[in-house]
Amino acid sequence: QVQLQESGPGLVKPSGTLSLTCGVSGGSISSSFWWSWVRQPPGKGLEWIGEIYHSGNTNYNPSLKSRVTISVDKSKNQFSLNLTSVTAADTAMYYCARKDYSDYVVDFWGQGTLVTVSS
Amino acid sequence: QSALTQPPSASGSPGQSVTLSCTGTSSDVGGYDYVSWYQQHPGKAPKLMIYEVHKRPSGVPDRFSGSKSGNTASLTVSGLQAEDEADYYCSSYAGSNNLGVFGGGTKLTVL
Repeated sequence: QVQLQESGPGLVKPSGTLSLTCGVSGGSISSSFWWSWVRQPPGKGLEWIGEIYHSGNTNYNPSLKSRVTISVDKSKNQFSLNLTSVTAADTAMYYCARKDYSDYVVDFWGQGTLVTVSS
Repeated sequence: QSALTQPPSASGSPGQSVTLSCTGTSSDVGGYDYVSWYQQHPGKAPKLMIYEVHKRPSGVPDRFSGSKSGNTASLTVSGLQAEDEADYYCSSYAGSNNLGVFGGGTKLTVL
C-alpha cells in the first residue's frame, strides 16, 4: 500500500516561497505513475497545481506555471513543490498524490498539509 | 481549462437514492471516458470512489455507481447512509499535456 506524506513549513510570508516535500513509502517513485500536487483553499474546491514523472517531465497548471517548480529526488523517493511570490490567495491545504495515467485517476493521496500565507 | 460544473448541494434521507451531476464540455467529460469521482469528509483527503465513468475501486460499496451522457457525468448513491454525508468532486481527463479538471464539488447532506 503506497503512502504519501507531505512536509514543510505551515506558515510562509507574503512574497516568499512555499516549499513542500512529499515522501513516498510502500512503492517506488520510479514506477509508472505521475506524482502530483493538488491544493484546496479553505472552504473551496480542489485545484491541480502540477505533476512530475520520475524522468523529470512535468505538467503545470497554466495559471500557476510562472511560479511553480516541481522536482523529483529518486534517491530519497520523494518529490517537491516550490511556489514563489506567494500571496494570501495561496493559503490552502496542499495535498501530494499519485496519478495513474492508465485510467487518469488519483488513487493515493497524502493527508495534506495546511500552508498559511501571512506576515 | 474551466472547472466542471457541479451543483453546490444535494440531500436525501437515509435509504433513499440521490444523483449528483457533473457537467463539462466535449473537450473533457464528453470527449473521454475518464471521469472519476472523489469523496471528501471534513478534514480528510479525498478518496477515489469511481473511475472511468462507472468503475469502482476495491472496497467501495456497490451503492455508489457512475454514468455519463454526453457532456454530463453522474454519481448515484443508493441506500443513503449517514456516513455518505461528504463533499463529492468529479474530475475528468482533458487531453494530453493537460492536468485534467475538477468540478467545484457538491456537498451531500443526509437528512
